[in-house]
Amino acid sequence: AQSVAQPEDQVNVAEGNPLTVKCTYSVSGNPYLFWYVQYPNRGLQFLLKYITGDNLVKGSYGFEAEFNKSQTSFHLKKPSALVSDSALYFCAVRALNDYKLSFGAGTTVTVRA
Amino acid sequence: NAGVTQTPKFQVLKTGQSMTLQCAQDMNHNSMYWYRQDPGMGLRLIYYSASEGTTDKGEVPNGYNVSRLNKREFSLRLESAAPSQTSVYFCATLDPISAQAFFGQGTRLTVV
Repeated sequence: AQSVAQPEDQVNVAEGNPLTVKCTYSVSGNPYLFWYVQYPNRGLQFLLKYITGDNLVKGSYGFEAEFNKSQTSFHLKKPSALVSDSALYFCAVRALNDYKLSFGAGTTVTVRA
Repeated sequence: NAGVTQTPKFQVLKTGQSMTLQCAQDMNHNSMYWYRQDPGMGLRLIYYSASEGTTDKGEVPNGYNVSRLNKREFSLRLESAAPSQTSVYFCATLDPISAQAFFGQGTRLTVV
């Protein structure tokens, strides 16, 4: 069965510092990997994805993520966090030839001024 | 272009009552999903439909049924609501080109 683990419930960083949100996954075959963000009382918004190709993918709002096949990880990063980045972040995985899309438990990011 | 529309936005049910959550999309996507979101549990997949005429169980299907009425609509039914089904429910579609999922704004359901 496929699954996603986000080992940190919360990540707290100061504005201007680097931000990392961790994600590991389990899936049969090649993965499609995603990051989504949710602001309070809102639906989920797409940030970035890995399908194939370069292991470092860049997305919206200055976020990037690195796919590491050997460690089955897809950590989200931002070099310099903003207070407005404070939100709930979800990692998700799909198998290449399947439609089942599974999400992790989410990580709450708080960026303090 | 409304994207993914869920109705209702809020609902309070008594234990044992039934109701159907509606989801409609105008994006012409084949695949649709129902999730529930609970604090500390993230998004858990209830059911999904890879294409019109097919449905599959997700991670937490017990207590729910679904109907893929046509390509546009995918409904979620609670036959006998229980307090454990108090949650925020999200419908989503999948763009086959970008592989990106698009979400509705959610339905906040409270079962008392």
